[in-house]
Amino acid sequence: GQQLNQSPQSMFIQEGEDVSMNCTSSSIFNTWLWYKQDPGEGPVLLIALYKAGELTSNGRLTAQFGITRKDSFLNISASIPSDVGIYFCAGQEIQGAQKLVFGQGTRLTINP
Amino acid sequence: GAVVSQHPSRVICKSGTSVKIECRSLDFQATTMFWYRQFPKKSLMLMATSNEGSKATYEQGVEKDKFLINHASLTLSTLTVTSAHPEDSSFYICSTDRVGNIQYFGAGTRLSVL
Repeated sequence: GQQLNQSPQSMFIQEGEDVSMNCTSSSIFNTWLWYKQDPGEGPVLLIALYKAGELTSNGRLTAQFGITRKDSFLNISASIPSDVGIYFCAGQEIQGAQKLVFGQGTRLTINP
Repeated sequence: GAVVSQHPSRVICKSGTSVKIECRSLDFQATTMFWYRQFPKKSLMLMATSNEGSKATYEQGVEKDKFLINHASLTLSTLTVTSAHPEDSSFYICSTDRVGNIQYFGAGTRLSVL
């Protein structure tokens, strides 16, 4: 099925460093969502973006909805150990049941 | 707090048996719920869209008779894996739409078929 192109696939950083990941798509989405998944758990919503160009923050997290509505990025500042996990972007389809299309995920590992 | 409750969190069953997974929306009425499957180190793959009071809509390649979905009330959808085989072992996750068309996910169910 359709997937978003999410990069990087994995990141190994030192505690305190900033993190940046992004997603691109050939399709336009009305809504972009960023989720974090811990091992053995379901994804947890981090940030939701509704408007092209929108920049939204949630604590140390900042995400932007691209102007073309085909891309989004997520930044994490001053990473801490609990940021470890897999981050997924998701675009919500405009038509029909408004299904989510997921990126492949970015696995974040933090060295203390 | 949790928006969606999924049960059980883990189930081990013998090959050939059927397993039912429940997904409940806790504080709102959900006309639509979604069922996903996730393989290790992979992204979520949508299996079907569960519609309250009507038949589920399955994604291409997902066997309807294998993965039975029932959405009999506005707060409960169930996924039954029938005649389970080891290749059905996976992580199954449900989600539901809420205000703003945002999907909130359950904690997932780890199915292991022996």
